[in-house]
Amino acid sequence: QQQVKQSPQSLIVQKGGISIINCAYENTAFDYFPWYQQFPGKGPALLIAIRPDVSEKKEGRFTISFNKSAKQFSLHIMDSQPGDSATYFCAASIETSGSRLTFGEGTQLTVNP
Amino acid sequence: GAVVSQHPSWVICKSGTSVKIECRSLDFQATTMFWYRQFPKQSLMLMATSNEGSKATYEQGVEKDKFLINHASLTLSTLTVTSAHPEDSSFYICSAGRIAGSYEQYFGPGTRLTVT
Repeated sequence: QQQVKQSPQSLIVQKGGISIINCAYENTAFDYFPWYQQFPGKGPALLIAIRPDVSEKKEGRFTISFNKSAKQFSLHIMDSQPGDSATYFCAASIETSGSRLTFGEGTQLTVNP
Repeated sequence: GAVVSQHPSWVICKSGTSVKIECRSLDFQATTMFWYRQFPKQSLMLMATSNEGSKATYEQGVEKDKFLINHASLTLSTLTVTSAHPEDSSFYICSAGRIAGSYEQYFGPGTRLTVT
């Protein structure tokens, strides 16, 4: 029940296209859903995060869509650029658990020039 | 703001020796720090959660006597891999949560450990 399922495992997009990564969870107690970007040999960096009381959050080219009833959330990267090529992780946590994050399996995004 | 550093960034050690990795929150105080392990092309695996001034909470399957965690202050946590073996070779990453009850975790750049 603590798992977060992420898909696809890998994604290839042309420059300027939209990258979409999906995550699903089971535990309805999760109340914080961040997305992290990780480059090879580096630590993850927080991209954008959402709480269950909103259905969408946008920051620049990055948008999280959240569907509470379906227990799914997704990351949309608009106008994808080669510099966006990285591994993306979704995660979820519960405030009362001290922000302990449960990570998805990761998606390796490649944006071709 | 919210910068977390790790030292060293990479280390090579011989089998049987111990290695200490430091994690520091540079511009904020962190009540909680987390230690993760990541194998190539895999997700982050939480090893333990440490709170300042108290014993770390280890995840199931993580040997607490092998991976010693100390969180001596609100800006510093250390992970010591004792009697390291080649199978301990991995990418170790720490993260820190802000003191003010915020959800956000900020990750360090990671430490690549190679045990020969």
